[in-house]
Formats: sequence, structure tokens, C-alpha cells
Amino acid sequence: EAGVAQSPRYKIIEKRQSVAFWCNPISGHATLYWYQQILGQGPKLLIQFQNNGVVDDSQLPKDRFSAERLKGVDSTLKIQPAKLEDSAVYLCASSLDRGGEQFFGPGTRLTVL
Amino acid sequence: DQQVKQNSPSLSVQEGRISILNCDYTNSMFDYFLWYKKYPAEGPTFLISISSIKDKNEDGRFTVFLNKSAKHLSLHIVPSQPGDSAVYFCAASGNFGNEKLTFGTGTRLTIIP
Repeated sequence: EAGVAQSPRYKIIEKRQSVAFWCNPISGHATLYWYQQILGQGPKLLIQFQNNGVVDDSQLPKDRFSAERLKGVDSTLKIQPAKLEDSAVYLCASSLDRGGEQFFGPGTRLTVL
Repeated sequence: DQQVKQNSPSLSVQEGRISILNCDYTNSMFDYFLWYKKYPAEGPTFLISISSIKDKNEDGRFTVFLNKSAKHLSLHIVPSQPGDSAVYFCAASGNFGNEKLTFGTGTRLTIIP
């Protein structure tokens, strides 16, 4: 069974530029999560989808971050414009349903210069 | 406000000995706890969990202990093997796992051959 796929694996941008990350969850998983992991910290949930609806986006900086999961399968996370403090690893995870075991992708390492 | 704390950033243990990783939490609403293991350039993978209705859960070489009165949990690995070298994250959730996960900052475990 294929795991959670993410691309790109690495991205370097200048501050104030835009960037987008893509995630393809495990087939059949209804719940999709985006986490931000800053160096030296644990992953922090940014947004949780149940199918194509948002369950929790309380920690998403909505002035610059947006995410969508239009067809209830893959998802895109966008940052526009990026700030230096957005440098982090962005992890996507999926689970069969809410409360289920979360399977993580390898992450996208973003560096903002 | 760090609700889940792992106060030891790193730990070194001889191969074959017991590794003990500790985690403290402050939120009384947490009732479900998990340990994740993370290798470099990979996403975290689920290791073991425990519900607040239990004080111990065992899976092979891995045992998690929960002390609710002290708001403390620990992960025991015995015997430790070189492949156990990784970063270990403690995570907590409410509503028996149906709430979002709050992660600790991680402990880097190094097993010395």
C-alpha cells in the first residue's frame, strides 16, 4: 500500500514570495492533516480536513496561509506571502477517519531567505 | 504555552540496555497519549498509545506507562537496539483520540553499539 506522498521535498524562496505544497493521502483515507514543524519543536496542526470539509483550522494563520482539498482526495497548502518565520518542515498526514491512526508523509522542508 | 513537554532533548543508551523516555503534560483534558518515532528525512511513524483508563500498555519491546496524578508518561524500550536510534515524540489528545494531537518537542535517542 502506497504511503502519503508529498511534493516538493525541498523548497527555498525569498521572503514575500509565494509557495505551494502538495499532498496525496493514502487511498481511502477520509481525514487529512497539515502540520508545521519548526526546528527544535514538535509538529503543530495547521488544518484538518474531513473529506473536503474543514474540521479544524484554528491554528492556521489565515492572513497568509490557505489550504484546499477540493475533491476530498489530494490537498494543497499555500503560503502567500512567505515570512522568514515560515521556515519549517510541512508535514501532511492522513487517517482512515477522525481519531484514527495518522500516517505521515516525508514532509516538505521550506527555507525562507 | 507548552502543554506537552519532553524535557530531555537527547538520550544515549548502550545497546541491550533499557531506554526510558519521559513526557509531562499540563492539560487535564488530555486522555489519550501516543508515541511517535521519526527517522531523518521521514515523517513520524506511530509507535504505541495509551488511554487514560489504563496505566500501562505493552507492545513487544515497547511499554508505555501513564501516571495520571503526576500528568506523566514514559516509554520504555527493552532491550534497546541500534535501529531504535531516532527522535521520539510524545503526543496527547482529548476525547479519547478524537481531538487534535498536541506534540512534545521530541527526544533524540542514540543507541550506542
